[in-house]
Amino acid sequence: GEQVEQLPSILRVQEGSSASINCTYENSASNYFPWYKQEPGENPKLIIDIRSNMERKQTQGLIVLLDKKAKRFSLHITDTQPGDSAMYFCAASGTNSAGNKLTFGIGTRVLVRP
Amino acid sequence: GALVYQYPRRTICKSGTSMRMECQAVGFQATSVAWYRQSPQKTFELIALSTVNSAIKYEQNFTQEKFPISHPNLSFSSMTVLNAYLEDRGLYLCGARSTGGVAETLYFGSGTRLTVL
Repeated sequence: GEQVEQLPSILRVQEGSSASINCTYENSASNYFPWYKQEPGENPKLIIDIRSNMERKQTQGLIVLLDKKAKRFSLHITDTQPGDSAMYFCAASGTNSAGNKLTFGIGTRVLVRP
Repeated sequence: GALVYQYPRRTICKSGTSMRMECQAVGFQATSVAWYRQSPQKTFELIALSTVNSAIKYEQNFTQEKFPISHPNLSFSSMTVLNAYLEDRGLYLCGARSTGGVAETLYFGSGTRLTVL
């Protein structure tokens, strides 16, 4: 089935610097790539997504890039703040015997040092 | 805006007993509901995908006999964990989409954190 690799597993950055998380996927038919932020004890929240008809999307200090040829997509948090400390999950849409589904990466713990 | 309510938020059950969790979509019609489990220190595993007017499809390692799901209308879904044991503990999330398509946004509920004693 679809696999989504996510790196790094832990990312420590200084406040004000940028943080980058990279994901790769296997299914070339995947066409939707959301990113979720999960704070301790909370449910994951969608923060940004990108579809396969785009290569770049930006919103409120977040940039996502999609390289369909390389089957790679990434999240860049610019000007990180302590409130950006959380778990981040990438996901890719795919189809399998269970129908349309999202497959998630293993997650990246982002720690922003003040 | 679109919201997904999930309850209970937390539940504790004795080993071998069952518990039911519910998911309600507000502000949109949940034609597709996916139930996920996030086990401790792990990512999200899809349990099953329920699409209105289609049979519920379970992922490998998950069965209807263990995780029966009901999706009676476009705003409500429930899942039961039958005979819960330690390996069933984790955060259970429902995610609802407004269409059956892949490219629509998946909105998550608040999750039900299951502890098994």
